[in-house]
Amino acid sequence: DAKTTQPPSMDCAEGRAANLPCNHSTISGNEYVYWYRQIHSQGPQYIIHGLKNNETNEMASLIITEDRKSSTLILPHATLRDTAVYYCIVYGTASKLTFGTGTRLQVTL
Amino acid sequence: DAGVIQSPRHEVTEMGQEVTLRCKLISGHNSLFWYRQTMMRGLELLIYFNNNVPIDDSGMPEDRFSAKMPNASFSTLKIQPSEPRDSAVYFCASSLPKALNTEAFFGQGTRLTVV
Repeated sequence: DAKTTQPPSMDCAEGRAANLPCNHSTISGNEYVYWYRQIHSQGPQYIIHGLKNNETNEMASLIITEDRKSSTLILPHATLRDTAVYYCIVYGTASKLTFGTGTRLQVTL
Repeated sequence: DAGVIQSPRHEVTEMGQEVTLRCKLISGHNSLFWYRQTMMRGLELLIYFNNNVPIDDSGMPEDRFSAKMPNASFSTLKIQPSEPRDSAVYFCASSLPKALNTEAFFGQGTRLTVV
């Protein structure tokens, strides 16, 4: 399975954009980049996913580099409720939905 | 739809006892995943099913663990006999067919404590 590398932790001021990076240099052509987050002890929550093009939904934007070796999840206006562990996963028909250690995002006042 | 439903939410049992965790998939989903989460090991994939068939159980820690899908909408994860090191939060998740590249939806988890 392709692996991902994320910083262990990040801070962001409330109201500012949170930019969470992810490296996935061994991603294969048919694997998507998925982002999930886990708030405290709840089940992981899906945020967004993409293959090649940048994606945006009501929660976030996903920017994928042209070579697909890295991506950035953008929370445009972070709030305290966005404090969570964010997981970047590469997943496709031939790979497993496995979680790494993620980035612990702390949103502060 | 009420989402993925897991029961019980909390379970406390004595070492050596059998424990059964339950999961109801979202209607129409046919992929099912079981995970275990601990502070030390993070979120580990134990097993996943597609169309009621176990596809990969390489994450199941040992023979004490078994998982089944008796029908398309329900799954159980059984631990027999349970040990203190099995204490963790167990999550299940379901999704549409893998080929559609859609997201997985997670339940709220079962917190298992083995004393």
